[in-house]
Amino acid sequence: QLQLQESGPGLVKPEETLSLNCTVSGGSTNSRNYYWVWIRQSPKKGLEWIGTLYQSGSTYYNPSLESRVTISGDTSKNHFSLKLTSVTAADTAIFYCARGGEYDTAGPGAFDVWGQGTMVTVSS
Amino acid sequence: SYELTQPPSVSVSPGQTARITCTGDALPKKYAYWYQQKSGQAPVLVMYEDSKRPSGIPERFSGSSSGTMATLTVSGAQVEDEADYYCYSTDSTGAHRVFGGGTKLTVL
Repeated sequence: QLQLQESGPGLVKPEETLSLNCTVSGGSTNSRNYYWVWIRQSPKKGLEWIGTLYQSGSTYYNPSLESRVTISGDTSKNHFSLKLTSVTAADTAIFYCARGGEYDTAGPGAFDVWGQGTMVTVSS
Repeated sequence: SYELTQPPSVSVSPGQTARITCTGDALPKKYAYWYQQKSGQAPVLVMYEDSKRPSGIPERFSGSSSGTMATLTVSGAQVEDEADYYCYSTDSTGAHRVFGGGTKLTVL
């Protein structure tokens, strides 16, 4: 059974870079059938799509975050990563990684497996 | 930026039908997806491409879309269906992928 697990620092200082990993077990990140996403959730902004990584290496980012976001994959470690630069308190959120592609037939949107989420607080 | 609008709350008695709506200008051309999130848990996909139910989701969950409104229907709602429900879709260009603000479903 596929499982995703987020990991990374729970506290990041303002203006620094937030870095998170999502480790995939019970499956491979190197499958052409699937794509991988990062989503965050905060009380103020609700659920927010951050970006999507395809097996080809193509990435698509939320336009509001695009200048600060990088999503990449490491198939040798079976994980994918999120980097968010120049963070502020507004970036404080629960960050989720998820998989899509199992059900999609007409474009991405069906995120069928999620990690449990990891809380990241931006504070000095 | 693009927005999807949901009612903040919907309340029904057990066994009744709950309808949760999601309004967006691009919904006539773009699919809606629905996620259920129970307290302290990650979201769960309950409906995709407007009206398709993933494996393991009870048949009492159904979806539809007409014009600028997508609807998630829970027929014969049960107490265990109490959760926040979020729609997800994109604008006409596909660049702005957004979630609705969420609807709290209360079954009591």
